[in-house]
Amino acid sequence: NAGVTQTPKFQVLKTGQSMTLQCAQDMNHEYMSWYRQDPGMGLRLIHYSVGAGITDQGEVPNGYNVSRSTTEDFPLRLLSAAPSQTSVYFCASSYSIIGGGGNEQFFGPGTRLTVL
Amino acid sequence: TQLLEQSPQFLSIQEGENLTVYCNSSSVFSSLQWYRQEPGEGPVLLVTVVTGGEVKKLKRLTFQFGDARKDSSLHITAAQPGDTGLYLCAGRMDSNYQLIWGAGTKLIIKP
Repeated sequence: NAGVTQTPKFQVLKTGQSMTLQCAQDMNHEYMSWYRQDPGMGLRLIHYSVGAGITDQGEVPNGYNVSRSTTEDFPLRLLSAAPSQTSVYFCASSYSIIGGGGNEQFFGPGTRLTVL
Repeated sequence: TQLLEQSPQFLSIQEGENLTVYCNSSSVFSSLQWYRQEPGEGPVLLVTVVTGGEVKKLKRLTFQFGDARKDSSLHITAAQPGDTGLYLCAGRMDSNYQLIWGAGTKLIIKP
């Protein structure tokens, strides 16, 4: 199993450009999420999905869109990049989000995005 | 507002020393997880604690969940350079299913 994969690993954008960060998992997990990680602020939830066709906003959703057409894929779209979106982005998946044993989050390796 | 406060934010100690990292909140969590993140990688789960007062051991790492399920600690005995990394705690609240993350403790163990 590849686990959670993310592409690209690094990206530089100019202000106003759009792009899609790709995320895929091969563990048949229903729950997937996108986080951004900034120094001193921990992980902040952008969007999440509890299954194909179902998405919802997290703590910091502005400027980002997501879709979940299949169980495996959960792309994150930046509509019009801004310098404030410079960050490291992590995709994560888990079997469940309730209960004590099934909600381990598996993370991808991250995408390091710089917006100039 | 940071619902989960981690302390210290940064810790640099010599190999062989002991250390404790704290994760505190005024909120009650149904479970709390500790992750370790190495540079250039995503976080990896170390442990999940569910019951108030629960203690779990993972080799030289001891995790404790507070009796009231509002706080947790991670104690490392005889730290080794391989323990170097960013340690993150994450609590799951009863009111929704989202994880609340602490800002992390950056730990450096010097040989």
